[in-house]
Amino acid sequence: SQKIEQNSEALNIQEGKTATLTCNYTNYSPAYLQWYRQDPGRGPVFLLLIRENEKEKRKERLKVTFDTTLKQSLFHITASQPADSATYLCASRADSNYQLIWGAGTKLIIKP
Amino acid sequence: KAGVTQTPRYLIKTRGQQVTLSCSPISGHRSVSWYQQTPGQGLQFLFEYFSETQRNKGNFPGRFSGRQFSNSRSEMNVSTLELGDSALYLCASSLSGGQNTEAFFGQGTRLTVV
Repeated sequence: SQKIEQNSEALNIQEGKTATLTCNYTNYSPAYLQWYRQDPGRGPVFLLLIRENEKEKRKERLKVTFDTTLKQSLFHITASQPADSATYLCASRADSNYQLIWGAGTKLIIKP
Repeated sequence: KAGVTQTPRYLIKTRGQQVTLSCSPISGHRSVSWYQQTPGQGLQFLFEYFSETQRNKGNFPGRFSGRQFSNSRSEMNVSTLELGDSALYLCASSLSGGQNTEAFFGQGTRLTVV
């Protein structure tokens, strides 16, 4: 079945450094990948969408890459701040029915 | 424009009761999806409605049901509540649910079953 996998272990990063989160997909070839941020007790918030023919996409301190050979997307936050601490989710729509398939999310902790 | 609105925000119910949650999508959005999230868990997909029809369904028992009205508002119903149904229930709307459309989430309904 079509799957998205993210590192379930929390990622601890020192403030000011670049945080890099990984999203791997298996058993399908999504045309788009999406990244969301979720804070505790709240709904996810959309951050970025990248197409398969885009190597990377940027928005302020955020950068997403899409490598169809590795079947992987990387999500980078540069100059990280404690306010960036949250769970980050990767998602894409299934080929057949457009249902959003979600990774389990990676909890990012930025330490001052 | 107004975001996705879920009501109520918090709910406490007793085992065996039933509950109805409501979701008003962003104006013009025709796709509404429902998710269950328990502490430390990812988003568990319940179902998706598009133009009043259930388009996709997750692996939840028949006690979980939903519907969508002609104005795209959606309701989710859980009958014969169990303690394990305690969770954050999230609704997400999108324009069409197409490949390149993102999802907009509501604040969620926190359901506690006692």
